[in-house]
Amino acid sequence: GAVVSQHPSRVICKSGTSVKIECRSLDFQATTMFWYRQFPKQSLMLMATSNEGSKATYEQGVEKDKFLINHASLTLSTLTVTSAHPEDSSFYICSARLTSGRGYEQYFGPGTRLTVT
Amino acid sequence: QKEVEQNSGPLSVPEGAIASLNCTYSDRGSQSFFWYRQYSGKSPELIMSIYSNGDKEDGRFTAQLNKASQYVSLLIRDSQPSDSATYLCAVMGSGTYKYIFGTGTRLKVLA
Repeated sequence: GAVVSQHPSRVICKSGTSVKIECRSLDFQATTMFWYRQFPKQSLMLMATSNEGSKATYEQGVEKDKFLINHASLTLSTLTVTSAHPEDSSFYICSARLTSGRGYEQYFGPGTRLTVT
Repeated sequence: QKEVEQNSGPLSVPEGAIASLNCTYSDRGSQSFFWYRQYSGKSPELIMSIYSNGDKEDGRFTAQLNKASQYVSLLIRDSQPSDSATYLCAVMGSGTYKYIFGTGTRLKVLA
């Protein structure tokens, strides 16, 4: 149980275009999902917290107009990187918080590797 | 600034040995602690969660928590080459569902 999928797994786009990444919890409902970014040989950096039915909460330094997050259902959150630039190239990973008696575990999707040319 | 500290390694252990990974945290109010394994190029995979002081065992893995000393550790018994990965310690901050991640410890299990 507690499976999270992400799509696409890999995307290459041209500078100035937008890219949408989907994150789905497949076998549980997630009122809260998180979006992280990871650069090579660095740890995870939290970008934003996505709450179903409400606006996302962004971490300091993350541009909300550039990284649009929508959490329209209990199983789907999307991250859209708008007007992408080469410096946005990174590994984007979502996680979903499992709300159960087991506590506050986050389960991660497989990640999306974005390359902006 | 709330922090989670880990030794970056690499920690090298021979196959069959016990690997010991440590993590300290600064937020004394933290109540939830997690260990993730991350293979190169992949996303993190949850190994253990621990919420109470003491030991918690799951197969070859044992998590240990000492809130008074603000450290959490992970022991891997009978280490296998397939355990070679980066191990991330995550602490859920007090009053939030957000995790603070350590920078990870790279483990190498030598065959």
